[in-house]
Amino acid sequence: EVQLVESGGGLVQPGGSLRLSCAVSGISVSKTYMAWVRQAPGKGLEWVSVLYGDGTTYDADSVRGRFTVSRDDSKNTLYLQMTSLRVEDTAVYYCASPITMIAAWGQGTLVTVSS
Amino acid sequence: NFMLTQPHSVSESPGKTVTMSCTRSSGSIARNYVQWYQQRPGSSPTTVIYEDNQRPSGVPDRFSGSIDSSSNSASLTISGLKPEDEADYYCQSYDMWSHWVFGGGTKLTVL
Repeated sequence: EVQLVESGGGLVQPGGSLRLSCAVSGISVSKTYMAWVRQAPGKGLEWVSVLYGDGTTYDADSVRGRFTVSRDDSKNTLYLQMTSLRVEDTAVYYCASPITMIAAWGQGTLVTVSS
Repeated sequence: NFMLTQPHSVSESPGKTVTMSCTRSSGSIARNYVQWYQQRPGSSPTTVIYEDNQRPSGVPDRFSGSIDSSSNSASLTISGLKPEDEADYYCQSYDMWSHWVFGGGTKLTVL
């Protein structure tokens, strides 16, 4: 069974930083396509970043230059380093291995950016 | 860039079949794979269709996906509707830079 467990969310002031983690079991993060997707309160899904097995990354325009996706193969964990956070980054952040026969999503972690 | 447009809501009765659309504003719908995600109230999203018409393990065959080039749309069809199918459904595809594009979501009500 594939499981993804996010952590690291919380309350942060505008301009602050936060690192989200996504602990993965059942699949290898180094061999699959992983994504971060967020959902602001009462809104739809918004793509944030993806990380391919070969290490290629892509980021949404809204977070490029501020957010960085990475992974630790030895810990089988995906990360999202978030800097220069803005009020509009407030959302539940989901990690996912969404586009595969054994698709899986995490339970999400809430990030609140507020003074 | 393009947009994916979904109807705001659809409704149907239990046991019936419902089809929801996802229309690409520019460029061919067939150019990039389309995925469909289900999000029940208060829950995380799950993938119900990937790569246009593939079902992940555990997704019942009541769910099917298709592409129609004539209308430049993707469709998600759910047959034999059950109360637990009531959820928001999002389509997703890619732009020319491999960036994801989401539709705004369709709220399915099972009457």
